[in-house]
Amino acid sequence: DQQVKQNSPSLSVQEGRISILNCDYTNSMFDYFLWYKKYPAEGPTFLISISSIKDKNEDGRFTVFLNKSAKHLSLHIVPSQPGDSAVYFCAASGGYQTGANNLFFGTGTRLTVIP
Amino acid sequence: EAGVTQSPTHLIKTRGQQATLRCSPISGHTSVYWYQQALGLGLQFLLWYDEGEERNRGNFPPRFSGRQFPNYSSELNVNALELEDSALYLCASSTRPGSSYNSPLHFGNGTRLTVT
Repeated sequence: DQQVKQNSPSLSVQEGRISILNCDYTNSMFDYFLWYKKYPAEGPTFLISISSIKDKNEDGRFTVFLNKSAKHLSLHIVPSQPGDSAVYFCAASGGYQTGANNLFFGTGTRLTVIP
Repeated sequence: EAGVTQSPTHLIKTRGQQATLRCSPISGHTSVYWYQQALGLGLQFLLWYDEGEERNRGNFPPRFSGRQFPNYSSELNVNALELEDSALYLCASSTRPGSSYNSPLHFGNGTRLTVT
């Protein structure tokens, strides 16, 4: 059973516009969320994270929003750049003690930024 | 700083054979994680090693096994290969055992295993 879901397999956005990638989770015990970016032939790289005590975290052009009541998080990229074209994975962790070995990943969303 | 390195990049085996995948973590990282990414699926947690010990394993059969060496490098062994084992196998390392909070996983580029 997929506990972290990314329902959009792909997304295309014009350069300079906002990209919004969505992620839903089912386990209310998850309290730490991460986004990873993956280019072809490379491993995923950590992008940004958010703890459940927050509802927003920003890092440059990247902002992650968390809506705990809806069990939903989103990644906003503003402005989108062609170099952002990659597969984005959402991941969730079930508590400090469980840590990275209980990191649940979504299936990914392929973002294409059109120049 | 050298990243996580995995070898080989590609591996082709036939059904019933054994496959051995290798991983070298980032210097100073003691924890190594293995993930499987099959086509159309997210990353599925396989195994976690820290300080030479297997600390946890995901929902995979016993023919998936591995070990961690004193230098913290790791091997993943898959015995009696089945066609559905064809996937990208990713290794990741981190500094703090069992914590994702201050030590996000650093991934290698993966080994693409094809079973024919």
